Amino acid sequence: NAGVTQTPKFRVLKTGQSMTLLCAQDMNHEYMYWYRQDPGMGLRLIHYSVGEGTTAKGEVPDGYNVSRLKKQNFLLGLESAAPSQTSVYFCASSYARGGNGGELFFGEGSRLTVL
Amino acid sequence: AQTVTQSQPEMSVQEAETVTLSCTYDTSESDYYLFWYKQPPSRQMILVIRQEAYKQQNATENRFSVNFQKAAKSFSLKISDSQLGDAAMYFCAYSDYQLIWGAGTKLIIKP
Repeated sequence: NAGVTQTPKFRVLKTGQSMTLLCAQDMNHEYMYWYRQDPGMGLRLIHYSVGEGTTAKGEVPDGYNVSRLKKQNFLLGLESAAPSQTSVYFCASSYARGGNGGELFFGEGSRLTVL
Repeated sequence: AQTVTQSQPEMSVQEAETVTLSCTYDTSESDYYLFWYKQPPSRQMILVIRQEAYKQQNATENRFSVNFQKAAKSFSLKISDSQLGDAAMYFCAYSDYQLIWGAGTKLIIKP
């Protein structure tokens, strides 16, 4: 059982380049989330989705776009990467909404460095 | 706005001893959930324990237990018989409509 899988695990970008992080879950969860983790700041929600075809902004959405064309996949895009986007990115999914007590299942994270 | 505070950036404990990690939160809601998640060096976050605010009984999962003080808005995690595999970052989280995370506590286990 793979759970939540993120690709790629590591990536180095130059300022201005674009890239997409892919998150896939095999648990048939409705809810999916993208977080970024920076030292001393815990997790901050970038975007989330409450079902196929839906997306919504989180706490720090600027500079990111997302899409959920298929229930099992949630893509995070950076159109023009900036050094401030250097971070570790986590995808998570849940059966019930995380804000209603649902447990989140996380991927292993993707470390992105923007030079 | 709801906030979650973990005042201990780092804690250390001798193997087999007991350690308590602190978490306080601020909310005006009466119904909510509280969580402790563990993030080992492998980075993948794992749920350790969950507490529902309307339940007065403290949650327990094997060696992990919480001390939930609703009036004081405190939610500490006690780890008994600490093991080397418990070394990780521990995050406290609060949820009602949305999930709010603390900054984390790094737990070091001394052999």
